[in-house]
Amino acid sequence: DTAVSQTPKYLVTQMGNDKSIKCEQNLGHDTMYWYKQDSKKFLKIMFSYNNKELIINETVPNRFSPKSPDKAHLNLHINSLELGDSAVYFCASSQGADSPLHFGNGTRLTVT
Amino acid sequence: AQSVTQLGSHVSVSEGALVLLRCNYSSSVPPYLFWYVQYPNQGLQLLLKYTTGATLVKGINGFEAEFKKSETSFHLTKPSAHMSDAAEYFCAVSEVGGYNKLIFGAGTRLAVHP
Repeated sequence: DTAVSQTPKYLVTQMGNDKSIKCEQNLGHDTMYWYKQDSKKFLKIMFSYNNKELIINETVPNRFSPKSPDKAHLNLHINSLELGDSAVYFCASSQGADSPLHFGNGTRLTVT
Repeated sequence: AQSVTQLGSHVSVSEGALVLLRCNYSSSVPPYLFWYVQYPNQGLQLLLKYTTGATLVKGINGFEAEFKKSETSFHLTKPSAHMSDAAEYFCAVSEVGGYNKLIFGAGTRLAVHP
């Protein structure tokens, strides 16, 4: 199936740990994104890559580092996890400035 | 800076009734406008979008929205609600010519009761 897929779906970890979330899209899109959805369902963009190049970098702590090995993959690594990092993280992709985003099903991160 | 305001965090309608979800945007340049739907434990799915052209946009599942520049609004409607429409709905705006950076509203949870 053509899709944006994220792994893992659920991630429970302790404060101070380092974790990664992986994202892959097979839609042939050039642009990929990471969004964070907090407990109140508010969605905010974190990063965007276009053809492996970082084009959007919102005010996100340095503990968050995206990596795009190729245009079909955009991974998110988080160092020294904090309680406030608990959220659902969505990966998305799109083709072109006016084309809609295609979202993955999200990764629910719980930091204890 | 762009922003999106969705009036009403919760909307409840009866099955068969009109659905109206309100969205107002703020943008200093012509915007692209989107409505997305999120079902529980799932990602967001595009309902419809406005980029250029006709201001009345039809989307999936019988939804439509009208871009009104004078009112800076992009309200979502459906003539007859179905139980399966119960979900969270998000309005979003992005800049024309930008990097497709979507700014989302806070969302409206639609409940449909028998």
